[in-house]
Amino acid sequence: DADVTQTPRNRITKTGKRIMLECSQTKGHDRMYWYRQDPGLGLRLIYYSFDVKDINKGEISDGYSVSRQAQAKFSLSLESAIPNQTALYFCATSEASGNYNEQFFGPGTRLTVL
Amino acid sequence: AQKVTQAQTEISVVEKEDVTLDCVYETRDTTYYLFWYKQPPSGELVFLIRRNSFDEQNEISGRYSWNFQKSTSSFNFTITASQVVDSAVYFCALSESNTGGFKTIFGAGTRLFVKA
Repeated sequence: DADVTQTPRNRITKTGKRIMLECSQTKGHDRMYWYRQDPGLGLRLIYYSFDVKDINKGEISDGYSVSRQAQAKFSLSLESAIPNQTALYFCATSEASGNYNEQFFGPGTRLTVL
Repeated sequence: AQKVTQAQTEISVVEKEDVTLDCVYETRDTTYYLFWYKQPPSGELVFLIRRNSFDEQNEISGRYSWNFQKSTSSFNFTITASQVVDSAVYFCALSESNTGGFKTIFGAGTRLFVKA
């Protein structure tokens, strides 16, 4: 079974709709992240969380919100989706101890906003 | 400020050729970490290697090798005797330790095509 799972894997929605992307992990990691990937731009950080009570904005948080429901769950919401939020979204986790920051990624969610 | 530059947008090679993917980074920190990730056509991101700033030893793993040079702020990745299965997008990334690891900056990626 995958250590980091994302649901849904694909979603097509319309402008103005509220969308939630969910991420679950079985790695026992405290740190979780949401990124979006756009062609030619690499991955950009949307939000990150160091533990259940910690939420921080990343590079491109406008238009997004997150919820850390438990150590293992970190969801990303688009309150009112717009077409330029069409992208591939990745959830990632990492250990909290030391300076070791290898990130483990979920399979991605491809979101299309029409 | 952190920055990672992968100047090669796309590279196309024929199977069995060697290919080097370039990565140049910018950081003000003396302690930092560099990474390479692979994204095959299926879309998932696969961790390949981590290197900390105090370890300039080059590393070889099978057909993969990495050349870390602090003097030129580069962390290049070479695939020897490339195979079709190496076709993917490769990302170089930088993380500074003073940020507690929360800010990993990714390069834009290099798409590698390996033709049979």
